[in-house]
Amino acid sequence: QSALTQPASVSGSPGQSITISCTGTSSDVGAYKFVSWYQQRPGEAPKLLIFEVGLRPPGVSNRFSGSKSGNTASLTISGLQAEDEGDYYCSSYTTVNTLVVFGGGTKLTVL
Amino acid sequence: EVPLAESGGGLVKPGGSLRLSCAASGFTFADAWMTWVRQAPGKGLEWVGHITSKTSGETTYYAAPVKGRFTISRDDSKNMLFLQMNSLKIEDTALYYCAKGYCNGLDCHWDDAFHVWGQGTMVTVSS
Repeated sequence: QSALTQPASVSGSPGQSITISCTGTSSDVGAYKFVSWYQQRPGEAPKLLIFEVGLRPPGVSNRFSGSKSGNTASLTISGLQAEDEGDYYCSSYTTVNTLVVFGGGTKLTVL
Repeated sequence: EVPLAESGGGLVKPGGSLRLSCAASGFTFADAWMTWVRQAPGKGLEWVGHITSKTSGETTYYAAPVKGRFTISRDDSKNMLFLQMNSLKIEDTALYYCAKGYCNGLDCHWDDAFHVWGQGTMVTVSS
């Protein structure tokens, strides 16, 4: 069982916005601003989309945004495009048993 | 030029050992804190451990499931990262990635945001 809880799947139509949640505890998401989000397309390595809750590395579209409230972080993708299909993972610093924990992943389908 | 390239994966019996390598290029490897992340077939990502830079003490930190069995090391003279895996278990079967933390020179997230990834090397533990 993953330490961070994400919905198994989400879907949306092109142009729509979707939000993926990432629920942790006061030992991880709730304790730190070090929440990141990754996109992984089939057969590819993960790609960093968001770090420090809501910051984007250079080259990442501003259609991707992140936020956090309490023990839950969220990734919002606006203006959905077919190329956004893939798996999305959150991660957070943690004080329990390890340094970084990942969510179980969310499969995004663009209808 | 591929920034990170893993090698050394393969099939090993339970209880066996394997050493993974990760060749780095295109950045100042000696300054980078490096991380290993694994992904079991059809499953999600799992943080394995990291090693800091030499100037930060070359400190290592491991996830609970691998602590005491896995060892991360680095050779800055060769721009190489290693993962020595001993006492392998069936549940260690996964694609192993090496990754470099995000750093823009002013703001570095060496150990919480993994910006550059290799393509992974597959480790299969089976009798």
